[in-house]
Amino acid sequence: EVQLVESGGGLIQPGGSLRLSCAASGFTLSNYWMHWVRQAPGKGLVWVSRVNGDGSTTSYAASVKGRFTISKDDAKNTLYLQMNTLRAEDTAVYYCARSYNYGSGSFAFDIWGQGTMVTVSS
Amino acid sequence: QSVLTQPPSASGTPGQRVTISCSAGSSNIGRNAVNWYQHLPGTAPKLLIYNNNQRPSGVPDRFSGSKSGSSASLAISGLQSEDEADYYCAAWDDSLNGWVFGGGTKLTVL
Repeated sequence: EVQLVESGGGLIQPGGSLRLSCAASGFTLSNYWMHWVRQAPGKGLVWVSRVNGDGSTTSYAASVKGRFTISKDDAKNTLYLQMNTLRAEDTAVYYCARSYNYGSGSFAFDIWGQGTMVTVSS
Repeated sequence: QSVLTQPPSASGTPGQRVTISCSAGSSNIGRNAVNWYQHLPGTAPKLLIYNNNQRPSGVPDRFSGSKSGSSASLAISGLQSEDEADYYCAAWDDSLNGWVFGGGTKLTVL
C-alpha cells in the first residue's frame, strides 16, 4: 500500500527547533518530488517546501525560507523537515505529500500523510 | 491572505449541483494547471481533480473541473451528505516559484 506517515510534531517554545519525519512505503521517494504543506488552526492549506527526486533541488515559501530545511534519506525512504527559529505563527498541522507527474508538465499532490501537529508556544 | 481566491462557504441540498470558484492572476492559474482537493478535518487531503478537469481513478464523475483564463471552478452534481468538507484549489505560481492554494471553501450539505 502506498502510504506516508508523519511524526516528530509536538510542543516547542518560540525560538526552538524541531525535525519532522515522513516515512514513505509502497513507493520510492527518489522517483518523485516531495512536499510539506501546513494548515494553521482554523486556516487553509499552505505550501511550505519541496525537494526533487535526487535531492538536488529545493524551494521554500517566503515565510519559512532561511529557517526550514527540507531533506530526505533514500536509504530510509524518509522525508524530513528541519524547522529552526520557530515562531508562534508556525503552529500548524504539517502534512507531507507526494507530487505525481500526470504528463505534459501537470503535477498534483496525489498521496498525503495524516499530518503531525506542531505547537509553538511558551 | 491566499494568492488564489475562493468563496469561504457554499451550500446545497442533497441531489443539487454546486459550483466552487477559484480565481487569481496570470502567474499561476493563467499559465498553469489547477488541481482541486477535498479535506475533511483530521484526515489527509484527497486529490479530486488534476490538470484542470481530470479525475484520478476512484473519484466519482459527480466531481468535475473547468478552467478559463485566470479562473477555475469545481462542480459537484448529485450532492451527497458525505460531500460535506473543505475544498481547495491549487496551482503552481511561476512568480513565487512555489505552489499556491486557495483559502478553502467549506461546503455544507443542508
